[in-house]
Amino acid sequence: RKEVEQDPGPFNVPEGATVAFNCTYSNSASQSFFWYRQDCRKEPKLLMSVYSSGNEDGRFTAQLNRASQYISLLIRDSKLSDSATYLCVVYTGTASKLTFGTGTRLQVTL
Amino acid sequence: ETGVTQSPTHLIKTRGQQVTLRCSSQSGHNTVSWYQQALGQGPQFIFQYYREEENGRGNFPPRFSGLQFPNYSSELNVNALELDDSALYLCASSLEAAVLNTEAFFGQGTRLTVV
Repeated sequence: RKEVEQDPGPFNVPEGATVAFNCTYSNSASQSFFWYRQDCRKEPKLLMSVYSSGNEDGRFTAQLNRASQYISLLIRDSKLSDSATYLCVVYTGTASKLTFGTGTRLQVTL
Repeated sequence: ETGVTQSPTHLIKTRGQQVTLRCSSQSGHNTVSWYQQALGQGPQFIFQYYREEENGRGNFPPRFSGLQFPNYSSELNVNALELDDSALYLCASSLEAAVLNTEAFFGQGTRLTVV
C-alpha cells in the first residue's frame, strides 16, 4: 500500500465548477499535511497547509480527518488558471522527509 | 521565484556514466532535500542534508550520494546510471530540518535522461 494515495484523475471540469480532491495516508504518526500545486514541467509549490480544524484560503478549503487518515481539498469557482496537478503531501518527522502522493490532475475548461 | 536554483536544467547521459547535479538553497536556509520525480509520479525522497550532515535517507541505493557545503549549497551524485534513473530531480530548501512548520521551497529541477 502506498504511504499517500490519491486519485490520479484527470478531473475535467468547466470554469466556475466546484471540484474536490481526496487523499488518504497510511502512517498514523504523520504530523503535518500539505497540498502542493505543480504546473506542467515545473516544480511543486505550496498551495496550503492542512490543519485539523480545517482551513480556507480564498476559493480553496482543506480538511483533515486524523481518525480516518483522510485529507481533502475543495476548489470553488474553478478558474482556467487552476489547471495543474495537485499533490497531497504528508510529513511524518521520520527522516525529515515529505511524502508525496502521485498527484491529481485538474483540467479546467471554458 | 523561490530563490532555489538548480543546474543544469537538462542533461543527457549514457547508461553506466556518473552525474553530478547542483543546488543553491534559498538564502538563510540550512536544510536541503533531494527528490526524484519520475513521469506521472509524485516526487520521491532521496535524502536530506542539514548543516552539512546527512539527516535522513529514502529508499535509494548507495550509488545515490550527496554533499552539502558550508554555504548550504548541495550536490547530488549518481553513479552507474541506469535507464530508470531518468527523471526530474528536485532540490528543496527549508529553514530547518523539521518541516513541521516551515515551507519547503523547490528549485525548478534538473531533467535527467539516461540513454
